[in-house]
Amino acid sequence: AQSVTQLDSQVPVFEEAPVELRCNYSSSVSVYLFWYVQYPNQGLQLLLKYLSGSTLVKGINGFEAEFNKSQTSFHLRKPSVHISDTAEYFCAVSDFSSASKIIFGSGTRLSIRP
Amino acid sequence: DTGVSQNPRHKITKRGQNVTFRCDPISEHNRLYWYRQTLGQGPEFLTYFQNEAQLEKSRLLSDRFSAERPKGSFSTLEIQRTEQGDSAMYLCASRPSGGSTDTQYFGPGTRLTVL
Repeated sequence: AQSVTQLDSQVPVFEEAPVELRCNYSSSVSVYLFWYVQYPNQGLQLLLKYLSGSTLVKGINGFEAEFNKSQTSFHLRKPSVHISDTAEYFCAVSDFSSASKIIFGSGTRLSIRP
Repeated sequence: DTGVSQNPRHKITKRGQNVTFRCDPISEHNRLYWYRQTLGQGPEFLTYFQNEAQLEKSRLLSDRFSAERPKGSFSTLEIQRTEQGDSAMYLCASRPSGGSTDTQYFGPGTRLTVL
């Protein structure tokens, strides 16, 4: 079974500052890793995903994440945030099975201060 | 491609009533998933279909819950004898059944409030 831990439930940052949202996972098998974003009153949107290959993954809206197998982490970063980045961010894993259901973390609320 | 749609977007009901939600996946996506998201938590997997076949159900899906996908297109999720603990956002997602690397696309969700 897999599990995901998002270490921070809320992260406040000032506009144009860098941000890192932390994510650790646990799994006995190889997994795919994802970050999803949920804007207020909207569904989930995929930011980026790690399947294999380069451990640094670039996504939409200037976000990137780095897969670290030894630390079982997949932290999300952005060098300069904007007010429009205010949202809930979910780290998630999926195994290689045919079902490919997604296991989500509890989310990190990113709030941007002007 | 209009994306995954869900109806209704909001549902308020009294405890003990039955409710039904509908999900229309992206056309030609033969995998369809249901998740439940409670306040302050991430979505939790409930069940999934490949075409019309329901292939996996979470233990979260009690006997009061039933999901169908009769023609392999849209899906319905019914909750019988609703309880206050059923209050949540119910999310639907779809994806092609090709490789396991395909992305799941989520709908906007149905927010259920049980009074």
